[in-house]
Amino acid sequence: AQSVTQLGSHVSVSEGALVLLRCNYSSSVPPYLFWYVQYPNQGLQLLLKYTSAATLVKGINGFEAEFKKSETSFHLTKPSAHMSDAAEYFCAVSYGGATNKLIFGTGTLLAVQP
Amino acid sequence: DVKVTQSSRYLVKRTGEKVFLECVQDMDHENMFWYRQDPGLGLRLIYFSYDVKMKEKGDIPEGYSVSREKKERFSLILESASTNQTSMYLCASRRSPINEKLFFGSGTQLSVL
Repeated sequence: AQSVTQLGSHVSVSEGALVLLRCNYSSSVPPYLFWYVQYPNQGLQLLLKYTSAATLVKGINGFEAEFKKSETSFHLTKPSAHMSDAAEYFCAVSYGGATNKLIFGTGTLLAVQP
Repeated sequence: DVKVTQSSRYLVKRTGEKVFLECVQDMDHENMFWYRQDPGLGLRLIYFSYDVKMKEKGDIPEGYSVSREKKERFSLILESASTNQTSMYLCASRRSPINEKLFFGSGTQLSVL
C-alpha cells in the first residue's frame, strides 16, 4: 500500500540550530510530495511541494526539502530555527490516478527552545 | 484572499445524534476533501469529491456520508454520532490537478458525549 512515514513524532531544537524533519515515501512510481505546516489552532498551510522540476525545493519561511529517489526520501530542513517555527509539520504524497488523493504522514511536532 | 470556511469551530453532540459539518470554499475549486485529525495518527481521509455530485470514499468512510450539491459546498454527515468520532475535522479544497496545493479550513473540533 502507498504510504508516507515521518520519523520522530516530536523534535526539539534550540533557537538558531538546524532543523531536520524526516519523511520517507513508499512507491516505485515518482510521486508528488508536499510539506504542510499547522500552527496552533489553525488549519494546515503549504510550505513547499515537489513536482519533478527540481530535486531541491525551496519553500516559505526559509524551509527547503530535497527529493532523493534512491532513498525514497523528502526531508525538510531549515539552517537556523526561529521561535516562530514551533508548529506541527506534515509530509504528504500524491500518486495521481483515478483516486487522485493526498496521503498524509502522522506529523512531527517541532519545539524550539530559547 | 482564498477562503475555506467551516461552519463551526467547536461542536458538542450526544451519542446517536445526526451531525452535519459544513464547508464552503470561494475559489471555484473542483476538488474538496474531508479529513479527521487525531493525535499520533495525522490526517486521515474520510471522503473526497472531485466535482459536483461526485464523491469517493477515503481511507475511513465508515459511519460518515457526504453531500456536494453545489460546487462551493461540501457537507460531512455523521448519521449516528458515536464517541469514537470525537475528533478534529478538517475540510480542504484544491483546483483539479493533483499537484495543486490544498487550501484548508481552520477545523471543527467535534466532541461526542
